[in-house]
Amino acid sequence: SQQGEEDPQALSIQEGENATMNCSYKTSINNLQWYRQNSGRGLVHLILIRSNEREKHSGRLRVTLDTSKKSSSLLITASRAADTASYFCARTNNAGNMLTFGGGTRLMVKP
Amino acid sequence: KAGVTQTPRYLIKTRGQQVTLSCSPISGHRSVSWYQQTPGQGLQFLFEYFSETQRNKGNFPGRFSGRQFSNSRSEMNVSTLELGDSALYLCASSLALAGGNEQFFGPGTRLTVL
Repeated sequence: SQQGEEDPQALSIQEGENATMNCSYKTSINNLQWYRQNSGRGLVHLILIRSNEREKHSGRLRVTLDTSKKSSSLLITASRAADTASYFCARTNNAGNMLTFGGGTRLMVKP
Repeated sequence: KAGVTQTPRYLIKTRGQQVTLSCSPISGHRSVSWYQQTPGQGLQFLFEYFSETQRNKGNFPGRFSGRQFSNSRSEMNVSTLELGDSALYLCASSLALAGGNEQFFGPGTRLTVL
């Protein structure tokens, strides 16, 4: 079972708008990672934020981490139709590379 | 570098059979992890191998097993298949073991159990 919750479960926006997805978790983390999955394919790593970091940017992506609230958010700015996918947060603790995934947010960007 | 490859991509089996899935990591990567993805349970960790040794194991029955070879390629095996084993099985490779590194995922093997 997952140990993270993501909201919303589904999000539909127009091209050019921003999309924000949130992730909460219950236990301590080593780092938190965000992945994208297109229609039942493999996952693509987007960004990794360590427990001692608060914000990280990569292109149109911005991730924040609040360890006191055990939550993270992923912001995609100026969304494109190609951003349509499912987005997952995944945490790691000190047990190797094991990822514990949230339930994911299905993002649809309408042209 | 070539990405993570998984074979076969699609598989249909019947209940009670067994299945072996294969994963070839990115060249130089020594850590290989396996995940099961279903609509009901989402993405769940199965196990992780590093240097031919199982380092972590998820909460799955003993019917699920795996191994890693000296060239870092990995196989997972599911015996006595059940309908609930129908899922997308994803393999991921990583350079090192410690620290929670970025994982590179393969395209997955979609297993259907009839």
